[in-house]
Amino acid sequence: DAGVTQSPTHLIKTRGQHVTLRCSPISGHKSVSWYQQVLGQGPQFIFQYYEKEERGRGNFPDRFSARQFPNYSSELNVNALLLGDSALYLCASRVTSGALYEQYFGPGTRLTVT
Amino acid sequence: KQEVTQIPAALSVPEGENLVLNCSFTDSAIYNLQWFRQDPGKGLTSLLLIQSSQREQTSGRLNASLDKSSGRSTLYIAASQPGDSATYLCAVPTQGGSEKLVFGKGMKLTVNP
Repeated sequence: DAGVTQSPTHLIKTRGQHVTLRCSPISGHKSVSWYQQVLGQGPQFIFQYYEKEERGRGNFPDRFSARQFPNYSSELNVNALLLGDSALYLCASRVTSGALYEQYFGPGTRLTVT
Repeated sequence: KQEVTQIPAALSVPEGENLVLNCSFTDSAIYNLQWFRQDPGKGLTSLLLIQSSQREQTSGRLNASLDKSSGRSTLYIAASQPGDSATYLCAVPTQGGSEKLVFGKGMKLTVNP
């Protein structure tokens, strides 16, 4: 079975631009979360979606938004990119909402803002 | 507010040593704790998930223990190999059964042949 997949693998953008990152969860998983990991730090929680509804949001500005589709895949959008948005963006899926079950992460999208 | 600490930030050892990686957290009211491995520039690979009702969890050469009352978990790696070189992170839910994970900064392990 395929794990969590993310696209693209790498992305280079200029300040002020917009970016869309995509995630496909493990088959049968309905919960998707997004994390941002800057170099040398642990991942920071951005969003969680379950059954197409936002269930949680981390301490990120409104430039960050996300959505989940009927097939449980998800998009993370970032507007008006800043240099500080350069990071590895990780998507994670879980079979259902809540902490009881293991969370599985994808390979990430490396975003570089110049 | 839940905070997770991993000390030391880096460790370099010769091949064959048995290792103990430490993780501490401030709020002991957790559902579970998860250990991950991250290779350079890659995503996270889940190693072990310990539920709050468990004291230990084992997978191959890995053994993780959880002591909620003291806010600590340890990951034990037996007979380390160069292929174990990676960054190891622990994570707990922000509170109770929350979906959101709080991570430590990780511990970079280098196992020298």
